[in-house]
Amino acid sequence: GAGVSQSPSNKVTEKGKDVELRCDPISGHTALYWYRQSLGQGLEFLIYFQGNSAPDKSGLPSDRFSAERTGGSVSTLTIQRTQQEDSAVYLCASSDARRTEAFFGQGTRLTVV
Amino acid sequence: SQQGEEDPQALSIQEGENATMNCSYKTSINNLQWYRQNSGRGLVHLILIRSNEREKHSGRLRVTLDTSKKSSSLLITASRAADTASYFCARRDSSYKLIFGSGTRLLVRP
Repeated sequence: GAGVSQSPSNKVTEKGKDVELRCDPISGHTALYWYRQSLGQGLEFLIYFQGNSAPDKSGLPSDRFSAERTGGSVSTLTIQRTQQEDSAVYLCASSDARRTEAFFGQGTRLTVV
Repeated sequence: SQQGEEDPQALSIQEGENATMNCSYKTSINNLQWYRQNSGRGLVHLILIRSNEREKHSGRLRVTLDTSKKSSSLLITASRAADTASYFCARRDSSYKLIFGSGTRLLVRP
């Protein structure tokens, strides 16, 4: 595709359920990032994938959060046993090997009720 | 906090005026970037300045970088109502991770 694609756009889930958020980066981009943004706040770094290197997971807030990137392309962010404080917009971005600007998807708005 | 500091948090100006936003950070950088966000969704890249550059221009945008003070500023000249958005600085650190500041919400009144 022409840009970064995220699905679903919106997700409402019950507290305690698991959710999976998907990100399709721009073809050929080796770097992929996940961020979380609460209402009116800045972007909180979650995880960073760069090529075949081990991902930088330093921003994951708890062990309920995990992410994988299959075949160096599509990434899935999984949140287990969701809590109300997980409600936020989850943004994915990718960039090329030159590691210059990042291109963002439109995000997934997660609401935990 | 992993985020840099941006100020002001919010800025309201009249159309035609200039808007200046500032960003400070704590660690060394490879480059610093500015992004714009409308309606709380995807961000759009505006401009990038490398650590060995001091000033850069793109249209009505001017970015400065002072690595000795670990700070950057974004100037939008002759603002328009359509410039209303949130603006974020983002630093690329030595591991090439991209860390964002807390953002400035800009309102340009027609």
